[in-house]
Amino acid sequence: GAVVSQHPSWVICKSGTSVKIECRSLDFQATTMFWYRQFPKQSLMLMATSNEGSKATYEQGVEKDKFLINHASLTLSTLTVTSAHPEDSSFYICSARGGIGSSPLHFGNGTRLTVT
Amino acid sequence: GESVGLHLPTLSVQEGDNSIINCAYSNSASDYFIWYKQESGKGPQFIIDIRSNMDKRQGQRVTVLLNKTVKHLSLQIAATQPGDSAVYFCAERSGFQKLVFGTGTRLLVSP
Repeated sequence: GAVVSQHPSWVICKSGTSVKIECRSLDFQATTMFWYRQFPKQSLMLMATSNEGSKATYEQGVEKDKFLINHASLTLSTLTVTSAHPEDSSFYICSARGGIGSSPLHFGNGTRLTVT
Repeated sequence: GESVGLHLPTLSVQEGDNSIINCAYSNSASDYFIWYKQESGKGPQFIIDIRSNMDKRQGQRVTVLLNKTVKHLSLQIAATQPGDSAVYFCAERSGFQKLVFGTGTRLLVSP
């Protein structure tokens, strides 16, 4: 149980285009999802917290207009990288938890984004 | 600010040895700690967690030790196997605050 599915696993896009990444909780309802970014050989950096039915909370330094987050249902959150640039190339990982008291133990397998 | 760090960026062991991965944290208000394993190209996989009211917790082949006095966390892996090769992250949280990840330690297991 507690499976988080992330799609696509990798994507290559051209500069200036937008890319959407999906994060789904397959066997539980996720009231909160988290989006992380990870550069090679570095740790996970939290980008934003996505709450079902409300606006996402972005970490300091993360452009909300650049990284659009939508959490329209209890099982799906999406991250859209708008007007992508090569410096947006990274590994994006989502995490989901059920209730307020639950711990974010469940991660997706990440999406490798390469912007050419 | 709060931070979580690791002492050893790379740990090399022989198959069958016991491995110890260390983590230091600076937020004395942290009350929940997690160890994750991340294999190349994959997301973090939960290994074991511990709450601040405990100082030791055991799982299958893994043990987490928490020393709140010196703000230190360790992960012990018994009889390390090649499949244990990965990057290990500690993470800490205070109450309902965000999870903060450490910098990671790469564990290399030689057959």
